Amino acid sequence: EVQLVESGGGLVQPGGSLRLSCGASGIAFSSFWMIWVRQAPGKGLEWVATIKEDGSEKYYVDSVKGRFTISRDNARNSLYLQMDSLRAEDTAVYYCIRGSGWVFESWGQGTPVTVSS
Amino acid sequence: DIVMTQSPDSLPVSLGERATINCKSSQRILYSSINKNQLAWFQQKPGQPPKLLIYSASTRASGVPDRFSGSGSGTDYTLTISSLQAADVAIYYCQQYYSNPITFGQGTRLEIK
Repeated sequence: EVQLVESGGGLVQPGGSLRLSCGASGIAFSSFWMIWVRQAPGKGLEWVATIKEDGSEKYYVDSVKGRFTISRDNARNSLYLQMDSLRAEDTAVYYCIRGSGWVFESWGQGTPVTVSS
Repeated sequence: DIVMTQSPDSLPVSLGERATINCKSSQRILYSSINKNQLAWFQQKPGQPPKLLIYSASTRASGVPDRFSGSGSGTDYTLTISSLQAADVAIYYCQQYYSNPITFGQGTRLEIK
């Protein structure tokens, strides 16, 4: 069974940084695209970033380009999201997702990020 | 960017009745080389992450009950629940994955009438 467990969320001041992690088990991690999606409190879903199986291709929503970096360590079955220059509008639950191609197939439980002074 | 618009925003349906949720994309989302519409549906229950229900507009994900079905082409898509059960109360989202940025509809809240 696929298990995705996010960690690293928390409270951070505007302009600060956080690094989210997602540990995967039950899958051949290196065979799948991985994705981050976020959901602001009481709001809908927003795609954030996607990374190819080998990390050679990365895609971002415009609102995080230049501030967020998606990466992965296939040896550790882990996905990361480095978030810099955080803003209040980045406050959300961040979900780690295993992709089947571009289909968002399996979701983690999410980790909350709050950007506030 | 492709804009996804769902209707209605809220849908009250009686138990055992049919529920229909609509989704319209601002442009066609057909991946012509495989003849598949790049449209997915997700279900999100309170306090839970979203769950994939349908992909390629009409293919049910593994383990999804057959009362859920998806249809549509071009720019108009539909999620149908043939006989509503209490466990189906949730917010439903459509999503296009034809082009970046990947975008979601605003969500439809399905409730029991």
